[in-house]
Amino acid sequence: SQQGEEDPQALSIQEGENATMNCSYKTSINNLQWYRQNSGRGLVHLILIRSNEREKHSGRLRVTLDTSKKSSSLLITASRAADTASYFCALEGKSSGDKLTFGTGTRLAVRP
Amino acid sequence: DARVTQTPRHKVTEMGQEVTMRCQPILGHNTVFWYRQTMMQGLELLAYFRNRAPLDDSGMPKDRFSAEMPDATLATLKIQPSEPRDSAVYFCASGLVQLPQHFGDGTRLSIL
Repeated sequence: SQQGEEDPQALSIQEGENATMNCSYKTSINNLQWYRQNSGRGLVHLILIRSNEREKHSGRLRVTLDTSKKSSSLLITASRAADTASYFCALEGKSSGDKLTFGTGTRLAVRP
Repeated sequence: DARVTQTPRHKVTEMGQEVTMRCQPILGHNTVFWYRQTMMQGLELLAYFRNRAPLDDSGMPKDRFSAEMPDATLATLKIQPSEPRDSAVYFCASGLVQLPQHFGDGTRLSIL
């Protein structure tokens, strides 16, 4: 299956703490993307990392990619209550054109 | 801020009725995706179009679902006849090749 598997399924932390989510996959990829989904809303793109990149930063977000282990992680530093959402990794496979296959998601709750 | 617009936001109807969901992609985007999200299956790609031409609809039950792009500003997803198992949130997303996708806020469909 091309689907990414995310870990943990759910995460609850205190405001100010860091949150780390992991995504593992089985196929070869062109890129891996992370999206956020607030309750009742559509997905919002956060960050894209290409297969030849190892790390990217965007504000409080840090994404790493290890293609040898077929895994990626999303780190949110200094979390805020507004970061409460579901986070999904999405894979663009080498043989899938620009179709994305979404992971199962991590539900993050940040307690004030 | 450009957005993908989906209508209706909510739809409740009885089994056997025809359901039509509409999507206005972001102006200038040439790729449109239809997804379905359920608790059990997560986010599944149903179909996608590039420059209004269908590229892949392998994720869609062909006997009851149909997707079209009558023009560059409108994509439609129809279910006829609808069944209770079609109850889900249906998302439209638009984008450009190899760039992140922009999602609408979805149509929450309930088939009684």
